[in-house]
Amino acid sequence: AQSVTQPDIHITVSEGASLELRCNYSYGATPYLFWYVQSPGQGLQLLLKYFSGDTLVQGIKGFEAEFKRSQSSFNLRKPSVHWSDAAEYFCAVGTGSQGNLIFGKGTKLSVKP
Amino acid sequence: DVKVTQSSRYLVKRTGEKVFLECVQDMDHENMFWYRQDPGLGLRLIYFSYDVKMKEKGDIPEGYSVSREKKERFSLILESASTNQTSMYLCASSFLGNSGANVLTFGAGSRLTVL
Repeated sequence: AQSVTQPDIHITVSEGASLELRCNYSYGATPYLFWYVQSPGQGLQLLLKYFSGDTLVQGIKGFEAEFKRSQSSFNLRKPSVHWSDAAEYFCAVGTGSQGNLIFGKGTKLSVKP
Repeated sequence: DVKVTQSSRYLVKRTGEKVFLECVQDMDHENMFWYRQDPGLGLRLIYFSYDVKMKEKGDIPEGYSVSREKKERFSLILESASTNQTSMYLCASSFLGNSGANVLTFGAGSRLTVL
């Protein structure tokens, strides 16, 4: 069965510092992978997605993620965090067809001034 | 941009009431989804629909039903609300692109409190 693990429930970084949020997935074939961000009281916004090809994908707001098949990982990175990046981040895996996405439990990011 | 609109952002209902949560999307997407989100549990799929009048159970359908009479509208129904259904409810829509992937677009959410 597919699953997504986000090992870190809560991360605090200083503004301007680099960020890496971890995501590990379990799926037999090449998955479709996503990162979503949720600001307080809001819905989820798509940050970036990986379907195939280049394993380093760029997203909105200066985020990027790297697909590593050997590690079953899809970690999200940002070189310099801004206070407005404080939010909850969700990694998800999908199989295509009409099926839904399987989400991790999320990582809450706090940013110190 | 695709817009998914959930008409009620905040609702307070009493135990035993019938509750309707409405979701409308404006981009002719085939697929629509209802998730509930609870702290520490992430998003869990309640129901989804891949066509008008079609529905599929997700991971936690108990206590819920859905209706999709028109392509753009997907309603979540709580026949008799209970306190354990207090949660954030998220609607999403998607289409199956040429890549074969299903990319979901979410609404802003409906926060339901059952007293």
